[in-house]
Amino acid sequence: KNEVEQSPQNLTAQEGEFITINCSYSVGISALHWLQQHPGGGIVSLFMLSSGKKKHGRLIATINIQEKHSSLHITASHPRDSAVYICAVRNGVTDKLIFGTGTRLQVFP
Amino acid sequence: DSGVTQTPKHLITATGQRVTLRCSPRSGDLSVYWYQQSLDQGLQFLIQYYNGEERAKGNILERFSAQQFPDLHSELNLSSLELGDSALYFCASSPRGLAGVSNEQYFGPGTRLTVT
Repeated sequence: KNEVEQSPQNLTAQEGEFITINCSYSVGISALHWLQQHPGGGIVSLFMLSSGKKKHGRLIATINIQEKHSSLHITASHPRDSAVYICAVRNGVTDKLIFGTGTRLQVFP
Repeated sequence: DSGVTQTPKHLITATGQRVTLRCSPRSGDLSVYWYQQSLDQGLQFLIQYYNGEERAKGNILERFSAQQFPDLHSELNLSSLELGDSALYFCASSPRGLAGVSNEQYFGPGTRLTVT
C-alpha cells in the first residue's frame, strides 16, 4: 500500500462545477503540499499546510491531521484548471517528501 | 516563473553515456532538492543539499551523484545511463529545508531526459 493515496485518479468536469480531490496518508507528517502539474510538465506549488484550511482564489485546501486526510477543492472550475494535481507529504521523521500518484483533472467548456 | 532555472530543457543521449543536469535555485534559497518523475514510478525524491552539504537521500541510484557548489547552484550527474533512466528531472529550492522546519518548495521547469 502506498504511503500517500489520492482519489480519484481521473476526474472530468463541466466548467463551473465544484471539484474535490482527496489525499490520505499513512505516515506521520510535518506538512502536506498540493502541487499542480500542467501538460507541459511544469510543477507549481499550490499550498503547503500543516493544519486547518487555506484558500487562494478559487482553490481551497483542508487537512485533518487526526484522520490523516486532506482535500483540495476547486470552486467554479474552468478549463484552465485542467492539470494533474499531486499531493505530497513531508515525512515527520525523515523530512523527505513522499508523493501521491496524482489526479488528472479535465474541465470541459 | 518560480525563479528556479534548470538546464538543459531536453536531453537525448544513448545508453551507457553520462550527463549532467544543472539547477540554479531562487536567489537566497539555501536548499536544493532533486526529483525524478518517470511514467511508471511517478515523482520520487532523489537527494537534498543544504548550503553545500548533502542533507537527505532518497531513492537515488549509485550511478547518480549530485553536488551543490559555493554559489548554491547544483548539478545532478547521471552515469552509465539505462533506458529506464528516461524521465523528467526536477529540482526545487527552498529558503531553509532544515529537519523539522517545513518550507515551501519552488520547482524548476524540469529537464526531460530521453535515453535511447
